[in-house]
Order: sequence, then structure tokens, then C-alpha cells
Amino acid sequence: KAGVTQTPRYLIKTRGQQVTLSCSPISGHRSVSWYQQTPGQGLQFLFEYFSETQRNKGNFPGRFSGRQFSNSRSEMNVSTLELGDSALYLCASSPRADTVDEQFFGPGTRLTVL
Amino acid sequence: KQEVTQIPAALSVPEGENLVLNCSFTDSAIYNLQWFRQDPGKGLTSLLLIQSSQREQTSGRLNASLDKSSGRSTLYIAASQPGDSATYLCAVTGRDGNKLVFGAGTILRVKS
Repeated sequence: KAGVTQTPRYLIKTRGQQVTLSCSPISGHRSVSWYQQTPGQGLQFLFEYFSETQRNKGNFPGRFSGRQFSNSRSEMNVSTLELGDSALYLCASSPRADTVDEQFFGPGTRLTVL
Repeated sequence: KQEVTQIPAALSVPEGENLVLNCSFTDSAIYNLQWFRQDPGKGLTSLLLIQSSQREQTSGRLNASLDKSSGRSTLYIAASQPGDSATYLCAVTGRDGNKLVFGAGTILRVKS
């Protein structure tokens, strides 16, 4: 079974631009979560989607948004990029959202904002 | 608000040693605890998942224990190898469902 895939793997943007990252969960998994990892703040939860609905949201500004499609694939968008948005963005999938399951992570997208 | 702490922040040991990594959490109302491994610049690899009703889980040379009432977990690595060098992260889920709250990690270096 293929693991969680994320595209692109690396991205360089300039301040003020916007960016869209994509995540394809493990086949059959319906819950997708996003995390931001920085050296200063560590791993922080962004949001979780299940059945195309956002179930949970972390403490990030409204510039960070996401969505999930009917095939469970998810995208996250960051608008008006700031230097502090440079980070490794990780996506995780799990089978369900009605129980708390083991989560499996993708390789991440490394975003650099210049 | 759940907070997760990992001690030590970094550890360097000679090959073959047994070692223990520690994780503590402030809110004992957790559903499960996961240990992950992260290699530099890479994603997270799940090592062990312990449900809140369990006391320990084992996989190969790894053993993780959970004491929910005291808010502690340990990851025991037996007969360490240079390939075990990585950052080890623990994370818990609680009332917020699949939301994982992570510790800052322990950077492990195993010297050959």
C-alpha cells in the first residue's frame, strides 16, 4: 500500500505570494491533518479534514486555509506569505475520525519564503 | 492546554548501549500516545502507538511504556546501532480527536 504523498517536495516563494500544497492520504484513509514544523516552534497542528469538512483547527491566522476533496486528497493554501512561514509542512492521514487512530505522515513539503 | 515535554533534549551514546528516552504530558486525559522517528529533513515514521488502556507496546528492539495517571511515557531502545541516530518525538491525542500534540524531541546520536 502506498504511503502518504505530498507535492511538491520543495518550494521557494517570495513574500506576499500565495502557495498551495497537496497531500494524498493512504488509500482508504479519510482523515487528513496538516502540521507546520519550524526549528523555533517545533511541530504545530494546523487543521484536520474528514469527509470534506474541517473538524479541527489550530491557532494559525486566517491566511492558512485548507480543503479536502471527495477522494480524500487535501490541499492547504497560504496567502500573503511571510518570512516566518518558511517551514516543513507535514501531512498525516488516519483511517477514521470517529475514533483516534494511529497517524501516518508524508515526507513533507519544504517551503522557503524569501 | 496539553503540554508535552521530552528529556533529554539530546543524547550521545556508544553503539550497543541500551537507552531510555522520556516523555511527559500535563493532561492525563489522553486517547493514545505515539512515538515517532524523524531523520534530518524528512517526514515522521511511526514507531509505536500505545492506546490509553495499554501499559506498553513492543516492536523489535523498541519498547514503549505508558503511565497515564502520572503523565509519563518512556521509549526503551535495546542494543543501539548507528542507524538509530535520529530525532525521536512523542505525541499525544486527547479531547481534540486526531490532533497530535508533540514534544520538542530528543536528538539521538549513536557512535560506532
